Amino acid sequence: DAGVIQSPRHEVTEMGQEVTLRCKPISGHDYLFWYRQTMMRGLELLIYFNNNVPIDDSGMPEDRFSAKMPNASFSTLKIQPSEPRDSAVYFCASSLPNIQGPIETQYFGPGTRLLVL
Amino acid sequence: QKEVEQDPGPLSVPEGAIVSLNCTYSNSAFQYFMWYRQYSRKGPELLMYTYSSGNKEDGRFTAQVDKSSKYISLFIRDSQPSDSATYLCAMRIMNRDDKIIFGKGTRLHILP
Repeated sequence: DAGVIQSPRHEVTEMGQEVTLRCKPISGHDYLFWYRQTMMRGLELLIYFNNNVPIDDSGMPEDRFSAKMPNASFSTLKIQPSEPRDSAVYFCASSLPNIQGPIETQYFGPGTRLLVL
Repeated sequence: QKEVEQDPGPLSVPEGAIVSLNCTYSNSAFQYFMWYRQYSRKGPELLMYTYSSGNKEDGRFTAQVDKSSKYISLFIRDSQPSDSATYLCAMRIMNRDDKIIFGKGTRLHILP
């Protein structure tokens, strides 16, 4: 398997523009997570899905952020309008069904480096 | 006070030395403790996890939890240049419905 695939790997945009980040989880994984990582705040969970259904979106910072998972093999994270403070590395991760108990192995993608000017 | 505190480093040690990485936390409800390793420009990967106080060993790595002090550690023996990475501690209260709370990570450099 190719692992979790994210695109684009880098994105530079201007303030006010719409940004769409994409993720393809590992086949067979039914949990999908979106994280944001910055030097100031570290790694933060934004939202996660189970079987394509959003379970917890309490980490989504504002209404400018939205995430969808139309099917088991694809998810998007959209920022509209983007702001300079959204600059960060955004990671997507996926994990297997709940057979490992409280600790599951989340497989992270390579991340999308977003810079909003 | 942040829930999880971790010194960002960088920490530079010579090859072969024992490395000690640490985190403190404030929420006594945390029960599951994890260490992730993140290489430059890569996503984090789960290295080790443990539950309750005590030690857990996996090869050159030992995870230690002291719940009474709200303090966790990761020890790396016989450190190698390939261990150079950022190490993030993480913890969770109970089950998969609870968020994993991450430390900001400690950058480690092993000098050849």
